[in-house]
Amino acid sequence: KQEVTQIPAALSVPEGENLVLNCSFTDSAIYNLQWFRQDPGKGLTSLLLIQSSQREQTSGRLNASLDKSSGRSTLYIAASQPGDSATYLCAVRPTSGSRLTFGEGTQLTVNP
Amino acid sequence: DARVTQTPRHKVTEMGQEVTMRCQPILGHNTVFWYRQTMMQGLELLAYFRNRAPLDDSGMPKDRFSAEMPDATLATLKIQPSEPRDSAVYFCASGLVLFREGRATDTQYFGPGTRLTVL
Repeated sequence: KQEVTQIPAALSVPEGENLVLNCSFTDSAIYNLQWFRQDPGKGLTSLLLIQSSQREQTSGRLNASLDKSSGRSTLYIAASQPGDSATYLCAVRPTSGSRLTFGEGTQLTVNP
Repeated sequence: DARVTQTPRHKVTEMGQEVTMRCQPILGHNTVFWYRQTMMQGLELLAYFRNRAPLDDSGMPKDRFSAEMPDATLATLKIQPSEPRDSAVYFCASGLVLFREGRATDTQYFGPGTRLTVL
């Protein structure tokens, strides 16, 4: 059974810092990995999707990397802003089916 | 801009009552997902449909939960009878799964959720 772990559970940084969120998964037979953002009381917003054949994806100040063989992904946020404060979740999709397995999330607070 | 809509946004009910949650997926999407989120369990997939057919409902307690797609613009999740342990936020998500060059591409778009409280 796939298990997804995110470290740290919570992170508080001053504005402007670069930061890294970590995601690890136990079964490397994945189809893709997705990073989501969730604001309090809201649904999830997809940030980046990395296919299993890819090593990284970039969108603006966000960069996600994937090392499938070691079961790890990182989300790098450059020059963090207070508006980045949210919970970040990673989710993996298996090679068959569309069932995503989510991590528990990292709650990020960026202080002005 | 296109988005997934869910109704109601909040629901408070008493134990034993029937609860129906509705979702309107993004027009043109062929896959609909139902998730439940709690502090203890995090996000769990309950069921998902492709082209209105249920593909996987193994995450759903079938004795009290049922999910349907009466048409391509409406998905429903029903709980009967509801119990306090069903209190959670229920999310619907939709996506367009396409097979290009033998590979599927998909991104899931989430609705705002229905916050259910069963007293």
